[in-house]
Amino acid sequence: QSALTQPPSASGSPGQSVTISCTGTSSDVGGYNYVSWYQQHPGKAPKLMIYEVSKRPSGVPERFSGSKSGNTASLTVSGLQAEDEADYYCSSYAGSNSFGGVFGGGTKLTVL
Amino acid sequence: EVQLVDSGGGLVQPGGSLRLSCAASGFSFSTFWMSWVRQAPGKGLEWVANIKQDGSEKYYVDSVKGRFTISRDNAKNSLFLQMNSLRAEDTAVYYCARGGYNFGYWGQGTLVTVSS
Repeated sequence: QSALTQPPSASGSPGQSVTISCTGTSSDVGGYNYVSWYQQHPGKAPKLMIYEVSKRPSGVPERFSGSKSGNTASLTVSGLQAEDEADYYCSSYAGSNSFGGVFGGGTKLTVL
Repeated sequence: EVQLVDSGGGLVQPGGSLRLSCAASGFSFSTFWMSWVRQAPGKGLEWVANIKQDGSEKYYVDSVKGRFTISRDNAKNSLFLQMNSLRAEDTAVYYCARGGYNFGYWGQGTLVTVSS
C-alpha cells in the first residue's frame, strides 16, 4: 500500500481537462510544499512534470499545472493530447518519516 | 545535456549480491544529492536510498536497511548501490535519479531479478 493515495485511473477526450488527486497526511503533503508529479510512458523512465507543488521544469508544457489544498495535491492537464496518455505519480517530502519522500500508487491517464 | 546511465543489473539467486552503478554527465555531480528509486514489475515507484553531496549523510527505506549501501565517487561522477542478501521482493527496475526527494533527472533503469 502506497503512502499517498491516487485514483488508479483517469480519462478524458482530446482538448478536455483532467485532474488527478493525490491525498496524503499532515506529515507529508500537508506539511511541506514539496509535492512533485512524474509522467511515465510504458517502458520509459519517469519524467518530472511539476515540483514544489506548482512549478514546471523547463520544457514542460503550460498545459500541466499543480496545486495543493490541505493534505491533497492535484495535477491538472488541460487541452489533453494523445501523447499525455501515461502513468502519473505524485510524491512528497516526508521529513524524518522518509528522507527520500513517499510516492503515490500512480494513475493511468487514458486519452479517449 | 544531463545524462544518467544505469548499469549492473541482472539475475541473482536469493541471498546473493549485486552492485549497481550510475554514470553521470552534463552537470556538476558533486553539488547534488543523488538517489536510487525502484519499480517492481507492474507496480509503482519506491524511493530506496539517497546520499548527500559529500557522502556524509545516507538514508534508506526501512525494507533495505542493513542490506543495501549507497555510495558515490565524485571524482568519477559515479553513484553506486551495493545490494546484499537479496530477496525476491527486491526484484525491480532500479533507477538512478538526481536529487534527494525531488528527482529532476532519471537514468534509463537497470533490471534486477532475484530468483532461483
